Amino acid sequence: GEDVEQSLFLSVREGDSSVINCTYTDSSSTYLYWYKQEPGAGLQLLTYIFSNMDMKQDQRLTVLLNKKDKHLSLRIADTQTGDSAIYFCAEGKTSYDKVIFGPGTSLSVIP
Amino acid sequence: GAVVSQHPSWVICKSGTSVKIECRSLDFQATTMFWYRQFPKQSLMLMATSNEGSKATYEQGVEKDKFLINHASLTLSTLTVTSAHPEDSSFYICSAPKGSGPQHFGDGTRLSIL
Repeated sequence: GEDVEQSLFLSVREGDSSVINCTYTDSSSTYLYWYKQEPGAGLQLLTYIFSNMDMKQDQRLTVLLNKKDKHLSLRIADTQTGDSAIYFCAEGKTSYDKVIFGPGTSLSVIP
Repeated sequence: GAVVSQHPSWVICKSGTSVKIECRSLDFQATTMFWYRQFPKQSLMLMATSNEGSKATYEQGVEKDKFLINHASLTLSTLTVTSAHPEDSSFYICSAPKGSGPQHFGDGTRLSIL
């Protein structure tokens, strides 16, 4: 079946790194996404990684994929108060398939 | 700029009203679009898959007679919440695939039924 799990809450101090972890069950997923949602707003695609990749870095964001364990992580370096939001891990079999979302991790950044 | 446009952004209406939400692909054709729903403090759940020129496919537990989906053109899908009640108040968001990249999501519609 299709299921995405992630921890619900994370609290970090400003300037520290944040690591949000996610596990998924569908080994045929090709697209693995990280979305950010601020209060009252829509979804913002932060980054995504293909299942044949191990890592992707984009400025302060680093995504690590362990395909064997079906484990995905998002690292935010130098976390800022503006990074406080809910972060959704998500998967999709192909670019044309539905996207399955995890429950979301609420990141709180302490000044 | 946005490639999927969703309208309206906010709707507040009385119980019993039917509400139509539009999802448009702006510079590409989308034979398939997806409709999601997000209740407060919850994740996004797929409601249905909208297919151009054919019937929508609904997820288990979603009433097809209550949530009418029409995908009459390659750039427009509409979701009509019929006889809406307070429990239908939610954030509705659509997405459309475009090529081999990630799917594009609309900005969402916040529906409040009084």
